[in-house]
Amino acid sequence: TQLLEQSPQFLSIQEGENLTVYCNSSSVFSSLQWYRQEPGEGPVLLVTVVTGGEVKKLKRLTFQFGDARKDSSLHITAAQPGDTGLYLCAGALSFGNEKLTFGTGTRLTIIP
Amino acid sequence: NAGVTQTPKFQVLKTGQSMTLQCAQDMNHEYMSWYRQDPGMGLRLIHYSVGAGITDQGEVPNGYNVSRSTTEDFPLRLLSAAPSQTSVYFCASSSDRNSGNTIYFGEGSWLTVV
Repeated sequence: TQLLEQSPQFLSIQEGENLTVYCNSSSVFSSLQWYRQEPGEGPVLLVTVVTGGEVKKLKRLTFQFGDARKDSSLHITAAQPGDTGLYLCAGALSFGNEKLTFGTGTRLTIIP
Repeated sequence: NAGVTQTPKFQVLKTGQSMTLQCAQDMNHEYMSWYRQDPGMGLRLIHYSVGAGITDQGEVPNGYNVSRSTTEDFPLRLLSAAPSQTSVYFCASSSDRNSGNTIYFGEGSWLTVV
């Protein structure tokens, strides 16, 4: 049973467009993280959200944690080819990150 | 700036063989873990350690052993390799169990069992 469902699984858009990736669960998480992974490399942490309703911005990326701490979204404004990669969400069911549950990932391709 | 170092990068094993994937971090991190990544499955936790001498099972521990004799090293042993263990393996570390801390991943070890 996959605790974290990401959608869409694949997304291919033109440079300059906006997009949103979703991470949904029926479980409540104490915190949720977003990672980006490029081919041949390990995931790299983008952001951690810990408070229900929290919004964090990282340049053109906006991350939101749902009020009930069961879901999250990643919005990219004016996508660039450098945004291409696999985006993963990961949640911690309890305080402490020793048991992160990862989503299945969204593979994003930005077409120049 | 080594961070988390995994070896080997690529390995082909025959069914039934044993091997050890090495993981070392130079950041004095207490927490280390091993994940496997399979298509359409995301990353799944195999084993983790919250400090030297302490290990625990994750979501998919069967067929794997770990030990943590030093803070720096966290090797993953495959006891008798099976084709189902063909995967990409990632080692990760962070400074402690606070879920707000950054988790650093290694570059991965690609394992094929034939």
